[in-house]
Amino acid sequence: GQNIDQPTEMTATEGAIVQINCTYQTSGFNGLFWYQQHAGEAPTFLSYNVLDGLEEKGRFSSFLSRSKGYSYLLLKELQMKDSASYLCAGGGGGYNKLIFGAGTRLAVHP
Amino acid sequence: DGGITQSPKYLFRKEGQNVTLSCEQNLNHDAMYWYRQDPGQGLRLIYYSQIVNDFQKGDIAEGYSVSREKKESFPLTVTSAQKNPTAFYLCASSGSQGNYGYTFGSGTRLTVV
Repeated sequence: GQNIDQPTEMTATEGAIVQINCTYQTSGFNGLFWYQQHAGEAPTFLSYNVLDGLEEKGRFSSFLSRSKGYSYLLLKELQMKDSASYLCAGGGGGYNKLIFGAGTRLAVHP
Repeated sequence: DGGITQSPKYLFRKEGQNVTLSCEQNLNHDAMYWYRQDPGQGLRLIYYSQIVNDFQKGDIAEGYSVSREKKESFPLTVTSAQKNPTAFYLCASSGSQGNYGYTFGSGTRLTVV
């Protein structure tokens, strides 16, 4: 079967670091994506990993281990505006078809 | 600027009515998708299209219909057969090479009144 799992909710303090984990099982693999979604808005692209290792992009980094079917999104120097849902999505659902996890709702507190 | 446009942003439907949600992209993407999102839940795939004049059912296609007569357009019709249509609907598109990530439209919030 195809499945993507991530925690439902997380809380963190402004200025801190938070890691959001994602495990996946897909019939094929075209890469692992992270999206940010603020309430009532469309998801926006954060990162894409297709090879093992860490991809850093400013305050956000994403890690992938294909052998373990595991990824994480690391958010540093948290800001209040980072309060949002973070969606993990895996390729492998057929031609360009992504499979989405249910999302992790992150609440950043002062 | 290239992008993907959904309209309307808010839509109200009476019981028994069909409504059509618009999705237009000028990114020259081959593939387009429709997802439904319910409060506190993830994205569920309704229909997708890899090429003009072809589309496939997703995980929750019952009560919905689509067409793909032009590369740029992928409208979704929510029919009266869909018993629980109140949700946030997202349209997305993706290219065929390299990064397969989606570009999303801004969404349509459909409410049954």
